[in-house]
Amino acid sequence: AQSVTQLDSHVSVSEGTPVLLRCNYSSSYSPSLFWYVQHPNKGLQLLLKYTSAATLVKGINGFEAEFKKSETSFHLTKPSAHMSDAAEYFCVVSGGFSGNTPLVFGKGTRLSVIA
Amino acid sequence: EAGVAQSPRYKIIEKRQSVAFWCNPISGHATLYWYQQILGQGPKLLIQFQNNGVVDDSQLPKDRFSAERLKGVDSTLKIQPAKLEDSAVYLCASSLVRRTTGTGELFFGEGSRLTVL
Repeated sequence: AQSVTQLDSHVSVSEGTPVLLRCNYSSSYSPSLFWYVQHPNKGLQLLLKYTSAATLVKGINGFEAEFKKSETSFHLTKPSAHMSDAAEYFCVVSGGFSGNTPLVFGKGTRLSVIA
Repeated sequence: EAGVAQSPRYKIIEKRQSVAFWCNPISGHATLYWYQQILGQGPKLLIQFQNNGVVDDSQLPKDRFSAERLKGVDSTLKIQPAKLEDSAVYLCASSLVRRTTGTGELFFGEGSRLTVL
């Protein structure tokens, strides 16, 4: 079974400062890991995906995440926050390459960006 | 490319009434998912279809929830009778699963927000 823990329910940063959203995972298999973003009243959008290729994954809008197997972590970072980054972020784990393995979502981290 | 379409966007019903949600996935996507997202929580998988067959419905409350995907394209999710705790956003997603890369990106619709009074 797989699970994911997002360590912060709410993160607040000032515009132009770095963003760090923390995620730890548990998986019986070699996992696939994702970060999704959800803006208010909008659908979920994929930011980036790790599927056992490069451990540093670059996504859209300047976000990136590093897969660290030894720490079972997949933290999301961005060098400089923008007001438009304010949203809910979900870390997601899948149990590997099986097409039938469902995605398991974390509880989410709400990112606030202060002007 | 058209995205995942869902309707209705909003629905308000009283408890013990029934409701149905419809989803049209992205053309060619064989896998379709229904997720329930309660306010303040992450989405929880209710049911996963591969074409028109059910892959996983272990978290679907089968005494009141049902879902079908006739002809392997559109899907409907029904709740009958509804309870107060069913108030949530119901998200439909679809994906194109490739044998070489496994679980592909999920594309989500904007969701159907249900309020049960």
